[in-house]
Amino acid sequence: RKEVEQDPGPFNVPEGATVAFNCTYSNSASQSFFWYRQDCRKEPKLLMSVYSSGNEDGRFTAQLNRASQYISLLIRDSKLSDSATYLCVVGYSSASKIIFGSGTRLSIRP
Amino acid sequence: DTEVTQTPKHLVMGMTNKKSLKCEQHMGHRAMYWYKQKAKKPPELMFVYSYEKLSINESVPSRFSPECPNSSLLNLHLHALQPEDSALYLCASSTITHNNEQFFGPGTRLTVL
Repeated sequence: RKEVEQDPGPFNVPEGATVAFNCTYSNSASQSFFWYRQDCRKEPKLLMSVYSSGNEDGRFTAQLNRASQYISLLIRDSKLSDSATYLCVVGYSSASKIIFGSGTRLSIRP
Repeated sequence: DTEVTQTPKHLVMGMTNKKSLKCEQHMGHRAMYWYKQKAKKPPELMFVYSYEKLSINESVPSRFSPECPNSSLLNLHLHALQPEDSALYLCASSTITHNNEQFFGPGTRLTVL
């Protein structure tokens, strides 16, 4: 079983739609949780850290459920520019390795 | 300055060449990382430096040799690579004390002939 699992997609949704990504992780010792986005042939960029209380940044909402070892990302009112691969990432202590999920490809159509 | 820079952007090398990849950050981060990413796959960790000392080596072959000359710079020396080593090589940095948010450079796209 992979340490971080994501639905690979692709998700193909119309502009303006709401889309949700899910991610599960297997190691209960995980301490930090993130969503990164990666555009084709570019580096991963930190989208948001994910906290137990949930957090929102504009159209993006992330949730963490430690009991179920589950992380989610919700994108509302999707834009063409949201088309990218979204990577669920789990970390342990600081300055140590982070584990990437395999990524979910999102394509927004006009 | 919130950037991690990497040079060169692209590199083509033969299997007998020696080359180096360079990474620089001026965010005061004391942890720096090398990752390898193949097409349509997530990044794979290679090395972690913490306070300029190698703290994690993910069983990387010795033809890859990392070096951290100071707190802002990270190098990856390459020698006798194989064609399967062709990939995007990403550098990242993070603080030591915060929650391990890592910031990535644009990468070096390496082709080994």
